[in-house]
Amino acid sequence: SQQGEEDPQALSIQEGENATMNCSYKTSINNLQWYRQNSGRGLVHLILIRSNEREKHSGRLRVTLDTSKKSSSLLITASRAADTASYFCATDDAGYSTLTFGKGTMLLVSP
Amino acid sequence: EAQVTQNPRYLITVTGKKLTVTCSQNMNHEYMSWYRQDPGLGLRQIYYSMNVEVTDKGDVPEGYKVSRKEKRNFPLILESPSPNQTSLYFCASSLSRGAGEKLFFGSGTQLSVL
Repeated sequence: SQQGEEDPQALSIQEGENATMNCSYKTSINNLQWYRQNSGRGLVHLILIRSNEREKHSGRLRVTLDTSKKSSSLLITASRAADTASYFCATDDAGYSTLTFGKGTMLLVSP
Repeated sequence: EAQVTQNPRYLITVTGKKLTVTCSQNMNHEYMSWYRQDPGLGLRQIYYSMNVEVTDKGDVPEGYKVSRKEKRNFPLILESPSPNQTSLYFCASSLSRGAGEKLFFGSGTQLSVL
């Protein structure tokens, strides 16, 4: 069952700009993870934020979580062409034993 | 190097011809899972395994079989493939399926069923 829903579906920016992607979900979660996928390749884990956390940083990545709105955002600062990829949120649903992925946001960073 | 290895990377077959996609991990992970990725539908879970000899259905298990006889291997079997199983398949593993465990993905298998 689909849980996370990313927005926008696609995002095109210039190098140096910030990129913000959003994820909304429907039910209570234990934590939320963000993954990156380069064209047709396997997903790579970026960052995890737990349900009792509001913000987390990792390098140029900043993730926020608002459990009252059931939403999360991923901010990539000072984007580079190498950041071009699809980004997925995934939720650990409370009471379930699986990780459910959204449909992803395609990010294009032009030089 | 810690990794999840899937084979083959590309596979073209015909309807009804049984096939197996192999998946192996070298990280001693308990949890393994298969996903398929289709345009506009994102990643959908096919089957998962919490440990050796423990498997369970995901969201789209119809037409697929799995087995987990050894901890490191989790093959995906299509007994009678059909064109609607044309997709990009990913195997993934994690240390366990506790909250907060991240998944490690294989490089994917692009399957075309003619």
